[in-house]
Amino acid sequence: GAGVSQSPRYKVAKRGQDVALRCDPISGHVSLFWYQQALGQGPEFLTYFQNEAQLDKSGLPSDRFFAERPEGSVSTLKIQRTQQEDSAVYLCASSLILAGGGYTGELFFGEGSRLTVL
Amino acid sequence: KNEVEQSPQNLTAQEGEFITINCSYSVGISALHWLQQHPGGGIVSLFMLSSGKKKHGRLIATINIQEKHSSLHITASHPRDSAVYICAVFSNTGNQFYFGTGTSLTVIP
Repeated sequence: GAGVSQSPRYKVAKRGQDVALRCDPISGHVSLFWYQQALGQGPEFLTYFQNEAQLDKSGLPSDRFFAERPEGSVSTLKIQRTQQEDSAVYLCASSLILAGGGYTGELFFGEGSRLTVL
Repeated sequence: KNEVEQSPQNLTAQEGEFITINCSYSVGISALHWLQQHPGGGIVSLFMLSSGKKKHGRLIATINIQEKHSSLHITASHPRDSAVYICAVFSNTGNQFYFGTGTSLTVIP
């Protein structure tokens, strides 16, 4: 597809259950970002990949959160032992960054994965 | 401490009014985005700015790098402009974006 694709769009999990959220960025986009957006709030940074390298994971709220992008394209955000406070929309965004660094690209967002933990 | 502050938080306007949304930031940046999020919808990038001014249809975005301030203007507002508008900056010292909490705009017919 032409845009950033996320799945599932909606996920209901029981507290304690593990969940995996998938992001398929725009083909060729080097950079991939994950964000958490609580109801009525702006997105909060979770983690950033450049190709397969996770350059910044400072926003991950706890060690229950894990993200990977093993081949530098599709990324998975995994949340273990989900808690009610994990309920949010998880947004993925991708952009093109020139080799050698320097941000020049537009930022493209997926539709998000809405997680509800009961 | 929020690296990006937006004002106002909520804005209601009559159709046809000129609207301004402000964004101030505290970090050094290489780019600033204005984003639009419709209720229940995804986020769309409206503008990316690193200096000066950009115009797209009825939307105008300006940035003053020295003052670390940007504004988004909507001329001749329309009910379909009702959305949350988010300012986001890409830090030039780190590999991440910082987001404002958004301005919720409602345009009444």
